[in-house]
Amino acid sequence: QLQLQESGPGLVKPSETLSLTCAVSGVSISTDTYHWGWIRQPPGKGLEWVASILLRGGTHYCPSLKRRLTISMDTSNNQFSLKMTSVTAADTAVYFCTSLINGVPGYSWGQGTLVTVSS
Amino acid sequence: QSALTQPASVSGSPGQSITISCTGTSSDVGAYDAVSWYHQHAGKAPKLIIYGVTERPSGVSSRFSGSKSGNTASLSISGLQAEDEGDYYCASFTNSITYVFGTGTTVIVL
Repeated sequence: QLQLQESGPGLVKPSETLSLTCAVSGVSISTDTYHWGWIRQPPGKGLEWVASILLRGGTHYCPSLKRRLTISMDTSNNQFSLKMTSVTAADTAVYFCTSLINGVPGYSWGQGTLVTVSS
Repeated sequence: QSALTQPASVSGSPGQSITISCTGTSSDVGAYDAVSWYHQHAGKAPKLIIYGVTERPSGVSSRFSGSKSGNTASLSISGLQAEDEGDYYCASFTNSITYVFGTGTTVIVL
């Protein structure tokens, strides 16, 4: 059974870089069937798609965040990661990692990790 | 890209049917049969309940159904139950090869 588990710093200072990792178990992230992605949710607000990646299909980013984002895969450790530079308080959110099948996000979700941007 | 528009809240009594709308544009909802719906309980990860406008993942109740007309998709819930309370979000693939979520709808079972 596919399981996802996010890990991250919890607290990041403004202007610094946020790094998140999603450990995948139950399936190889190299499998062509799956894309992998990140979705975030600011406290009390709605969902926002952030980025997705497919091993042989490239990367895709939310247009408003694109210049600050990098999503990557680590096939040797069966995990994928997200880096976001120059964070501000507006980036405070629960970050979920997710799987996409046939382009549909959200077949499986991690439990989410809260990232707070504050000095 | 702008969020898809959903009503802030919808309510109904147990056993009734409700419908949630999701309005986008010809660049997202209207462009593809790639609308999905999610149900989220407070403090939990969302759960996929509809994909491809009308398809239900295995294990999702047949009380949930989806449809689309033009730039507006809809989620219907029949036989409303207390467990159906929570937040519902639509999402669509876009012609920028990205995804956009709806603003979210809180369902209240009276």
